[in-house]
Amino acid sequence: GAGVSQSPSNKVTEKGKDVELRCDPISGHTALYWYRQRLGQGLEFLIYFQGNSAPDKSGLPSDRFSAERTGESVSTLTIQRTQQEDSAVYLCASRGQGSFYGYTFGSGTRLTVV
Amino acid sequence: KQEVTQIPAALSVPEGENLVLNCSFTDSAIYNLQWFRQDPGKGLTSLLLIQSSQREQTSGRLNASLDKSSGRSTLYIAASQPGDSATYLCAVGSSNTGKLIFGQGTTLQVKP
Repeated sequence: GAGVSQSPSNKVTEKGKDVELRCDPISGHTALYWYRQRLGQGLEFLIYFQGNSAPDKSGLPSDRFSAERTGESVSTLTIQRTQQEDSAVYLCASRGQGSFYGYTFGSGTRLTVV
Repeated sequence: KQEVTQIPAALSVPEGENLVLNCSFTDSAIYNLQWFRQDPGKGLTSLLLIQSSQREQTSGRLNASLDKSSGRSTLYIAASQPGDSATYLCAVGSSNTGKLIFGQGTTLQVKP
């Protein structure tokens, strides 16, 4: 597609439930990133996929968070047993190969845990 | 570990002023550097991308410079307008880790 697509755009869930967030990167983009942005705060790196290499999971805040990506296509971010502090906007970005490619961000999923 | 700092955190100027936003980073092993704009409650819009081999990029009233040796980038906005009011984010792509690390942003208000 023309841009990075994220779904759902908004998600309200009850504390303790699991949620799954989806990211469709730009076709052909080898790198995919997930970030979290809490209200009024900066972007916090979560996880990075590059082609078929093992993902860099160093930003995942706890073992309740996991992400998968099949090849160079769709990625899903899963949060298990959601907590109120998980409430944030979750942003996905993709990038093509080469330093002349910038990072293109999706519009994000706003997650509210009640 | 790459750290990105943006100064000032907030800036308020009258319409028509030229202004400079600053970004500094601690690790010069960068892949590229990108400036984004974020409007309240919205996603990120890319403004300018500077590859590590470049010194500056221009788009309309915006000019971004990069000095890798000193770990600095500036975003120059000419003839500011109220529509420029937003948070401006600097992000550095690390050539060692592949991660994109963000500064905390500069929130700009341009008063009519």
